[in-house]
Amino acid sequence: GAGVSQSPSNKVTEKGKDVELRCDPISGHTALYWYRQRLGQGLEFLIYFQGNSAPDKSGLPSDRFSAERTGESVSTLTIQRTQQEDSAVYLCASSPGSNQPQHFGDGTRLSIL
Amino acid sequence: AQTVTQSQPEMSVQEAETVTLSCTYDTSESDYYLFWYKQPPSRQMILVIRQEAYKQQNATENRFSVNFQKAAKSFSLKISDSQLGDAAMYFCAYGEETSGSRLTFGEGTQLTVNP
Repeated sequence: GAGVSQSPSNKVTEKGKDVELRCDPISGHTALYWYRQRLGQGLEFLIYFQGNSAPDKSGLPSDRFSAERTGESVSTLTIQRTQQEDSAVYLCASSPGSNQPQHFGDGTRLSIL
Repeated sequence: AQTVTQSQPEMSVQEAETVTLSCTYDTSESDYYLFWYKQPPSRQMILVIRQEAYKQQNATENRFSVNFQKAAKSFSLKISDSQLGDAAMYFCAYGEETSGSRLTFGEGTQLTVNP
């Protein structure tokens, strides 16, 4: 595909369950970013990948959150033991390199019951 | 830490008129980038315009232009000849190359375009 692809589009799960969110960046984009957007708010940075290394994890809100990336391809964001405050839209973006414009996916809307 | 402030939670404009969205930011850096993103109800973030801090000339992109005042740390977006399709949430964002260009976003301005 031509753009950043995220799956699932929507995810509803029970409190305490683990969830895994997937991001397929634009081919050739070395930089990949995860952001969280709570209802009615701006985006909060979570983590940045350059290739498969994560030089900046400072935005991850707790140790229940983790992310990994395979090479310069797919990334997964995992949230363990989900809490209601984790409900948000999780957006992924990629760019050809740092300081280049970021291209965003449509996000995954996560709802914790 | 860098902060971005959008003081207008909501704005409205008549179709074909001009509207200006405000943004201020706080940083101690001299090299950085500023962006305006548009987010329609579909959720996708769409880049509207980008400004490098070292450039004095204001960026323009068709009907969209910015007024970048570096000393005042102000970065407003002007939309000329507003169209119904411009209705969306608009976010101002700040990024630095030294931090991998992670973006810091403002809270957004919801723009309504009235026919």
